[in-house]
Amino acid sequence: EAGVAQSPRYKIIEKRQSVAFWCNPISGHATLYWYQQILGQGPKLLIQFQNNGVVDDSQLPKDRFSAERLKGVDSTLKIQPAKLEDSAVYLCASRNLQGPRGTGELFFGEGSRLTVL
Amino acid sequence: AQSVSQHNHHVILSEAASLELGCNYSYGGTVNLFWYVQYPGQHLQLLLKYFSGDPLVKGIKGFEAEFIKSKFSFNLRKPSVQWSDTAEYFCAVNANYGQNFVFGPGTRLSVLP
Repeated sequence: EAGVAQSPRYKIIEKRQSVAFWCNPISGHATLYWYQQILGQGPKLLIQFQNNGVVDDSQLPKDRFSAERLKGVDSTLKIQPAKLEDSAVYLCASRNLQGPRGTGELFFGEGSRLTVL
Repeated sequence: AQSVSQHNHHVILSEAASLELGCNYSYGGTVNLFWYVQYPGQHLQLLLKYFSGDPLVKGIKGFEAEFIKSKFSFNLRKPSVQWSDTAEYFCAVNANYGQNFVFGPGTRLSVLP
């Protein structure tokens, strides 16, 4: 079974530029997450999709971050304009919910490392 | 809001030493609990998970964790670590009926050969 695919793996941009990250979840996984992991910290949720609908985007800085999952499969996360503090690894994860309590675990991609200069 | 704390930022052990990494969470309801590991240069991988039943759960590579509900804890253990266990370990909590996973800050484990 193929894992969660992410690209690009690395990206270096200057502040105020824009960047986009792409994620392809595991086939059949309806739930998709974007996490931000700053060096030395645990992953922090940015946005969660169920199929192509947003479940939780309460921690997404909407003035500069946007995300979409138009057909309920692939997703893109965009940052525009980038700030120095956006330097982090952006992780995509997917989940196959099992039963009404959603007991499935998260499967992560390798992440996209962003450096903002 | 849920939160997860991990007791140690960096743990250094010699091979064959025993390991215990602490994890505490704050949430009053039913939770699902997870330990994830991130080996150098690799993606986050599931070590083990607890949903219900026996509070002592066994995972891959000889790891186990014990859920103590009264202490809101889910500590990770391994009786004898190997150099290949060098990695970052993250505890995560998924609250009842919720879909968000809240992660702890991580514990970096260095095992000296």
